[in-house]
Amino acid sequence: SYVLTQPPSVSVAPGETATIPCGGNNIEGKSVHWYQQRPGLAPVLVIYLDSDRPSGIPRRFSGANSGNTATLSISRVEVGDEADYYCQVWDSSTQHVMFGGGTKLTVL
Amino acid sequence: EVQLVESGGGLVQSGESLRLSCVASGFSFSSNWMHWVRQGPGKGLLWVSRITSDGRRTNFADAVKGRFTISRDNAKNTLYLQMNSLRAEDTAVYYCATGAGIMGATGGFDIWGQGTMVAVSS
Repeated sequence: SYVLTQPPSVSVAPGETATIPCGGNNIEGKSVHWYQQRPGLAPVLVIYLDSDRPSGIPRRFSGANSGNTATLSISRVEVGDEADYYCQVWDSSTQHVMFGGGTKLTVL
Repeated sequence: EVQLVESGGGLVQSGESLRLSCVASGFSFSSNWMHWVRQGPGKGLLWVSRITSDGRRTNFADAVKGRFTISRDNAKNTLYLQMNSLRAEDTAVYYCATGAGIMGATGGFDIWGQGTMVAVSS
């Protein structure tokens, strides 16, 4: 099955830009979605189809997908952005939804 | 208001069964593919199953195939997950989720329930 690889943690200072990678074999051929999950709450979609933002998601959130890595970027990071972030794709070969292992974003 | 509300979770013994429900409101439930996603304690998200809008086709993760069944009642705006032969490793919060159009089928879920906890003791 298709494997998505994320670093367990990323740390960034307030006001800086956080970059969270999601690695997968030729992932640029797939549509990548990103979710934010705060403790005790359900996930929230923050980026869909590689780089589109749902309504209500700040423009500070952006996505890109090239080669073997998709990336979620959060500019001007705020303390409120601390959360776990998950990438997700569709594996057409197995007909399964696949999630990355998740990355915990810490705002120092 | 667009909403998904799960219920049916609880504490069961290994080998027992449980049925989860997910009631939808505020959107056209009968037009959407629906999914179950779970999250073990301190773990990441794991997709469990999906069902077409008409209920005719289903898919399952390897970890639950043959033990879990997904179904829906469009007249009641309700999604179900029948879980049989439960194991300790099935312990998790179970979420129902969906999205609009093609994303409802393959991901990009913009509607999630609050989750229901299933605990399986061995």
